Amino acid sequence: DSGVTQTPKHLITATGQRVTLRCSPRSGDLSVYWYQQSLDQGLQFLIHYYNGEERAKGNILERFSAQQFPDLHSELNLSSLELGDSALYFCASSVDTYEQYFGPGTRLTVT
Amino acid sequence: GNSVTQMEGPVTLSEEAFLTINCTYTATGYPSLFWYVQYPGEGLQLLLKATKADDKGSNKGFEATYRKETTSFHLEKGSVQVSDSAVYFCALSDRTSGSRLTFGEGTQLTVNP
Repeated sequence: DSGVTQTPKHLITATGQRVTLRCSPRSGDLSVYWYQQSLDQGLQFLIHYYNGEERAKGNILERFSAQQFPDLHSELNLSSLELGDSALYFCASSVDTYEQYFGPGTRLTVT
Repeated sequence: GNSVTQMEGPVTLSEEAFLTINCTYTATGYPSLFWYVQYPGEGLQLLLKATKADDKGSNKGFEATYRKETTSFHLEKGSVQVSDSAVYFCALSDRTSGSRLTFGEGTQLTVNP
């Protein structure tokens, strides 16, 4: 158990819908990262937050957004969903820049 | 930009065989290197890391040495077990790209009894 929690574990929704994925980092970790894992793209970095502020963006679509709240949990919002958004979404947290600890992931299926 | 290349899989071995999974990288700065493991239905677990050239990371019988001259970080284990069956990812991060992780494609390892 990494100490990073993600909810929900599974999510099935229809095209065009909007969903919110939630992540709670390990106690004491200020950084939260979001990654997408899909069969065709592999593991791709989406976005990084540090203590409530956005620090870096990767290959994140404009339909996706994220935020980190004062209690340090983070949410990833995915809107106008398409079939191609079906993937595993991982959250990771870290206290420094060297080691990231991953949550169990949320499996999103868009039908 | 940064990139990580892993040997193509899948890899199938018998129990107690020697394991090598090759990993090479391209980075603009001086990266930290990692191996993560993903067991079926689970998230990624940090297996080992090395933060500078010639460092050797080790954990649970797995080892990898940071080779700057060959830009490599090959994963090795002397005697694999059935429980080592998983997907292994090589990854790097460096300060020039923030602290994001750049991953290789992953290598599926299956160990048969």
